[in-house]
Amino acid sequence: AQKVTQAQTEISVVEKEDVTLDCVYETRDTTYYLFWYKQPPSGELVFLIRRNSFDEQNEISGRYSWNFQKSTSSFNFTITASQVVDSAVYFCALKGMWGNTPLVFGKGTRLSVIA
Amino acid sequence: DVKVTQSSRYLVKRTGEKVFLECVQDMDHENMFWYRQDPGLGLRLIYFSYDVKMKEKGDIPEGYSVSREKKERFSLILESASTNQTSMYLCASSSISGSSTETDTQYFGPGTRLTVL
Repeated sequence: AQKVTQAQTEISVVEKEDVTLDCVYETRDTTYYLFWYKQPPSGELVFLIRRNSFDEQNEISGRYSWNFQKSTSSFNFTITASQVVDSAVYFCALKGMWGNTPLVFGKGTRLSVIA
Repeated sequence: DVKVTQSSRYLVKRTGEKVFLECVQDMDHENMFWYRQDPGLGLRLIYFSYDVKMKEKGDIPEGYSVSREKKERFSLILESASTNQTSMYLCASSSISGSSTETDTQYFGPGTRLTVL
C-alpha cells in the first residue's frame, strides 16, 4: 500500500523566515512520482512540482526548493524568505509510475505567513 | 495552459435532490478524477475515469455515480443528496502520454463548494 505522511498540520512563520514542509512516503513500487501542490484560500489546487523516483537531484525554482532523499523516503519542500502570498495549504502526493493508479495525497500542511 | 473548469463555484441543494457536478478539461487528457475535500480528512478520491465510458471506484464511491460520455467531460452525480455530502468537490485531469513532465500530473479545477440543507 502507498502512504504519504505530512506530520506538520499547521505551521506559522513570520514573513522573510525560511520554512520547510516535511513529506514522508511509503511505497512498494520501485518507480514512482512525487508531487507538491499548493491550495491557496481560493480553493484550487495548483501544481508545483513533479519528481521521478530515479532522479534524486534537488530542485530550486526561485524561492522554492525541494529535497528528495530516497534513503529516508522523504521529499521536503523549503520556502526561502517566505511571503504572505505563500500562505496556503500544501499537499504532498505519490503515484506509482505504471498503470492507472490514482494519486495518494498527504493530509496537507497549512502554512500561515504573518506580516 | 491546462484548463479544468467546473460548472459552479458554489451550490446549495436540498436533501433528496439529484445533483450534477460538471467538469470539463480542454487538454485532451485521458484521465479524469473526482475528489471531495473535508477538514481533517484531506482529499479523498470518489471516482476516476481513464477513458470515455470507463469508470473506476475510488475510496468513497458510496452515494455517488459518474458519467463520461465525452473525453473532455466528467460528471459527478449525487442521486439523492444528503447533508453528509456537504463538501468541497474537486475535479482533476491528467494525461497518460505527452511530454515527460506532463504524464500523470493531475491538474485541478477551481472546486465546487456544495452545501446540502
